[in-house]
Amino acid sequence: AQSVTQLDSQVPVFEEAPVELRCNYSSSVSVYLFWYVQYPNQGLQLLLKYLSGSTLVKGINGFEAEFNKSQTSFHLRKPSVHISDTAEYFCAAHTGGFKTIFGAGTRLFVKA
Amino acid sequence: ETGVTQSPTHLIKTRGQQVTLRCSSQSGHNTVSWYQQALGQGPQFIFQYYREEENGRGNFPPRFSGLQFPNYSSELNVNALELDDSALYLCASGTGNQETQYFGPGTRLLVL
Repeated sequence: AQSVTQLDSQVPVFEEAPVELRCNYSSSVSVYLFWYVQYPNQGLQLLLKYLSGSTLVKGINGFEAEFNKSQTSFHLRKPSVHISDTAEYFCAAHTGGFKTIFGAGTRLFVKA
Repeated sequence: ETGVTQSPTHLIKTRGQQVTLRCSSQSGHNTVSWYQQALGQGPQFIFQYYREEENGRGNFPPRFSGLQFPNYSSELNVNALELDDSALYLCASGTGNQETQYFGPGTRLLVL
């Protein structure tokens, strides 16, 4: 069965510090992988996606993620965070079918 | 701005009532998916519609039903509301291969 695990429920970090939000997936077939951001009282905004090709994916707002097939991971990184990056981040996967599986979310809290 | 809109933004119902939530998809998108996001959790897939037919369903009972219309709009209907149905309901539209979904802002439902 397909599943997505976000390894940290909360990540506090100081402004301008680097951050990594961890995501592992399990699937017996090829997957498409996504990171979404959700600000308070809003819907989901796509940050970046991996469909195929280069394993390093660059997204919006300075975020990037690396697909690692051997470790079944898709960790999200940003070299320098801002206060405005405080939000909930969701890793998601689907196998090209109809069902997208989401992780439980990681709350990124950027402190001044 | 994804071009996906949802109405209403907030809704309060009592247990046992029925509710209809609406979504207007991005023009040209022939699939729509609905998700339930309980407080503090990731979105859970309810079902997907493709060209006005249900194309797949998650682990939700039959009292959750939907419709998709030719004008890119869709509805989620929930009968016999239960307290646990209180959540943010998100719709997402995309093209047939569902590589990328575009989410609306959600409808927050409170069942008392």
